[in-house]
Amino acid sequence: QVQLVQSGAEVKKPGASVNLSCKASGYTFTRYYVHWVRQAPGQGLEWMGIINPSNNSTSYAQKFQGRVTMTRDTSTTTVYMELSSLRFEDTAVYYCARSFLASDAFDIWGQGTMVTVSS
Amino acid sequence: QSALTQPASVSGSPGQSITISCSGTSSDVGSYNLVSWYQQHPGTAPKLMIYDVTNRPSGVSDRFSGSKSGNTASLTISGLQAEDESEYYCSSYTSSSTWVFGGGTRLSVL
Repeated sequence: QVQLVQSGAEVKKPGASVNLSCKASGYTFTRYYVHWVRQAPGQGLEWMGIINPSNNSTSYAQKFQGRVTMTRDTSTTTVYMELSSLRFEDTAVYYCARSFLASDAFDIWGQGTMVTVSS
Repeated sequence: QSALTQPASVSGSPGQSITISCSGTSSDVGSYNLVSWYQQHPGTAPKLMIYDVTNRPSGVSDRFSGSKSGNTASLTISGLQAEDESEYYCSSYTSSSTWVFGGGTRLSVL
């Protein structure tokens, strides 16, 4: 079945980086965009950016410019999201989600990865 | 890009209908028919309920419907059921080629 499976929970110290993965299966990997969306505890959803797995092109929300990098590995049908210079307020559940076009809604979501930033 | 505006909470009794509003601007909701709605139960990933303002994905109950007027989109749930109790988020594509979400609305089925 179509699914996105994300890597496990992470605990990081302030200033460190975290690299999350999102493995796609059940569909043609390069035909769908992948977005990253985060949700701080008790808060709403926040769009972080998008990657086109067919050509590795990316676009990031202004808030995360300079701190986020999204990449993909077509051989393993996996998308990665690295967030650097972590702050306490980056503590959140991070989701990957796919869309057929960049402007399409997110029809399949990963299960989420909890990232805790703590000293 | 500011978040879209949703009421913090709405409630209704089983069998009733409720509507959740989602207010944006001429740079997002008002510019595109690219508003979507997501349902999120505690501890789980969001689920797509409505896309492109009015369309339902396969498998979503026809009790869920969407609409838009100007800069405000709405989600209506008719024939409320206990299982509808959840958090609902709207989202819109923007003129900056980004996506913006609403703050979320908690639906209580009394």
